[in-house]
Amino acid sequence: QLQLQESGPGLVKPSETLSLTCTVSGGSVSTNTYYWGWIRQPPGKGLDSIGTLYYSGSTYYNPSLKSRVTMSVDTSKNQFSLKLRSVTAADTAVFYCVRGDPRALVFDSWGQGILVTVSS
Amino acid sequence: SYELTQPPSVSVSPGQTASITCSGDKLGDKYACWYQQRPGQSPVVVIFQDNKRPSGIPERFSGSNSGNSATLTISGTQAMDEADYYCQAWDSSTAIFGGGTRLTVL
Repeated sequence: QLQLQESGPGLVKPSETLSLTCTVSGGSVSTNTYYWGWIRQPPGKGLDSIGTLYYSGSTYYNPSLKSRVTMSVDTSKNQFSLKLRSVTAADTAVFYCVRGDPRALVFDSWGQGILVTVSS
Repeated sequence: SYELTQPPSVSVSPGQTASITCSGDKLGDKYACWYQQRPGQSPVVVIFQDNKRPSGIPERFSGSNSGNSATLTISGTQAMDEADYYCQAWDSSTAIFGGGTRLTVL
C-alpha cells in the first residue's frame, strides 16, 4: 500500500526558504500514471494547493505562489520535494504531500502532514 | 481566479440526510470531488468525478454536479461522519478547493 511521509524543519525564519521532502514507499515516483503534489493548510483554515508535478519534470504551480515555489523529483531516492522561498508568517501551515490520479482528477493518497511554523 | 464557495457549517441529526453544497461558475462543466477531514487527520477522498465512490467509502455518500453547484449528500448520517468536508475542482491545471464545511451530527 502506498505511503507518503513528509520530512523537514518544523521551524523556518522569515525571509528564508522552506524545504520539505516527501518519501514514497509502496510505490514508485517514476511513473506517469500518477502525479505528485503539495497541499498546505494554515492552522484552523482550509486546504490550499501549492502545485503538482510529474516525474518527467512537468510542473504546475498555483499562480498565487508560482514566483516562490520550486518542486522536483529525485527518482534515485523515490522522493519529491518542495522549496518555498521568502517565507512569512502567513506561510505557517501543515504541509501535505499527495499523489494525484490524472484520470480520476483527484488526490487519492495523502501523507500525514507536517507542521511548519515561520517565526524568528 | 476561480473560486469555490461552501457553507461554513451544516448540522444534521443522526440517521437523517445531510447535504453540503459547493458553488462555482459553471462548476457543472468541470469534475468535482469531495474530501472528508476528521479532526487531526489527513483528508480522504469520499467522492470523485462528481459521483463516484472510492472503494471502502460507504454507499451513504453520494454526489451530484450540474449548473453552478455540486452537492455532497450523506444519507443516514452517522456520528462518525462528523468532520470537515472540502470540495475540489480543477482550473487551468490548478487544484481549487472550497473553503470547507464543518458537518455537525447533533
